[in-house]
Amino acid sequence: GDSVTQMEGPVTLSEEAFLTINCTYTATGYPSLFWYVQYPGEGLQLLLKATKADDKGSNKGFEATYRKETTSFHLEKGSVQVSDSAVYFCALSDGSGANSKLTFGKGITLSVRP
Amino acid sequence: DGGITQSPKYLFRKEGQNVTLSCEQNLNHDAMYWYRQDPGQGLRLIYYSQIVNDFQKGDIAEGYSVSREKKESFPLTVTSAQKNPTAFYLCASRPTQGFGYTFGSGTRLTVV
Repeated sequence: GDSVTQMEGPVTLSEEAFLTINCTYTATGYPSLFWYVQYPGEGLQLLLKATKADDKGSNKGFEATYRKETTSFHLEKGSVQVSDSAVYFCALSDGSGANSKLTFGKGITLSVRP
Repeated sequence: DGGITQSPKYLFRKEGQNVTLSCEQNLNHDAMYWYRQDPGQGLRLIYYSQIVNDFQKGDIAEGYSVSREKKESFPLTVTSAQKNPTAFYLCASRPTQGFGYTFGSGTRLTVV
């Protein structure tokens, strides 16, 4: 079945540092890819998405490019802030139709210190 | 404002008791989902429903049951058969087409 693998965490960075969180996937067909963020005690919020190969999703300074050749969707940000501290999940969807569903990676906790 | 409401935010139950978690949405979404979140495990799909009066098992359905009598509501019952029910439970919904998933703020269930 489909699966998503994220790099092991947690990750601790100083403010203004560069961030990379690795994500690779295994899927049949052509999935859509997502990054979700979860702040303490809350549900998930969509951070960005890409629906086909070579698409780049971007939001709030975060970026990720759908790389079909390496089956990857790594998340990057050039300069992190304390407010970026959260749990980040990579996910894929097996389609956009009625029966599709999300498959998540294990998540990674990011802590940014001042 | 439209959204998903999960209640309660925190729930405590004694071992061996069934407990029902509420999930209500006013987004007019057709599909609804229940996920379980454990530290270091990510989110795992318990049950999902594409339409009223129909639902399918996800990856970890054993020990859980659901109903979908109304479009707006998708309650999850954690039964005494669930071996390790203490976890954070998230409900989500989306329209029939597209990727517009909306998540609730979750219910943290502790069984003692």
